[in-house]
Amino acid sequence: EAGVAQSPRYKIIEKRQSVAFWCNPISGHATLYWYQQILGQGPKLLIQFQNNGVVDDSQLPKDRFSAERLKGVDSTLKIQPAKLEDSAVYLCASSSGLRVWDTQYFGPGTRLTVL
Amino acid sequence: GESVGLHLPTLSVQEGDNSIINCAYSNSASDYFIWYKQESGKGPQFIIDIRSNMDKRQGQRVTVLLNKTVKHLSLQIAATQPGDSAVYFCAEDWGGNQFYFGTGTSLTVIP
Repeated sequence: EAGVAQSPRYKIIEKRQSVAFWCNPISGHATLYWYQQILGQGPKLLIQFQNNGVVDDSQLPKDRFSAERLKGVDSTLKIQPAKLEDSAVYLCASSSGLRVWDTQYFGPGTRLTVL
Repeated sequence: GESVGLHLPTLSVQEGDNSIINCAYSNSASDYFIWYKQESGKGPQFIIDIRSNMDKRQGQRVTVLLNKTVKHLSLQIAATQPGDSAVYFCAEDWGGNQFYFGTGTSLTVIP
């Protein structure tokens, strides 16, 4: 079974520029998550989708971050404009459902550096 | 929000010894906990979980202990191997399969 795919793996941009990350979850997984992991910290949930609907985006900085999952499969996370403090690894995860025992499977992440 | 944290940021053990990684949580209403392993350049990987109605759960070479009285979790790894070197996170369920992660403990296995 193929895992969660993310691209690009690395991205370097200057502050105030825009950037987008892509995630392809495990086939058949209805639930998709985007996390931000700052160096030395645990992942922090940004947004959770169930199919193409948003379950929770309470921790997404909506003035600059946006995410979509239009067809309920792939998802993109965008930052516009980027700030220095956005430097982090952006992790995508997917699970088959919303129950606690529906294991989340993580992709390798995209490492973003904002200069 | 409430926090999930680890007592020790780094841990070094000799290969073959047992490892114990600790985690404190603050939300007494949490019903479910997971330990994740994250190797360098990879995403977190599920290791073992435990529900709040249990105080111990065993997997292959790993055991999780839950002490609800003092809001404490521990992960025990038996006969630690070089491949166990990674950062370990405890995560606490806050409902709807959303988890809050602790800071993490970096485990280094010395050959």
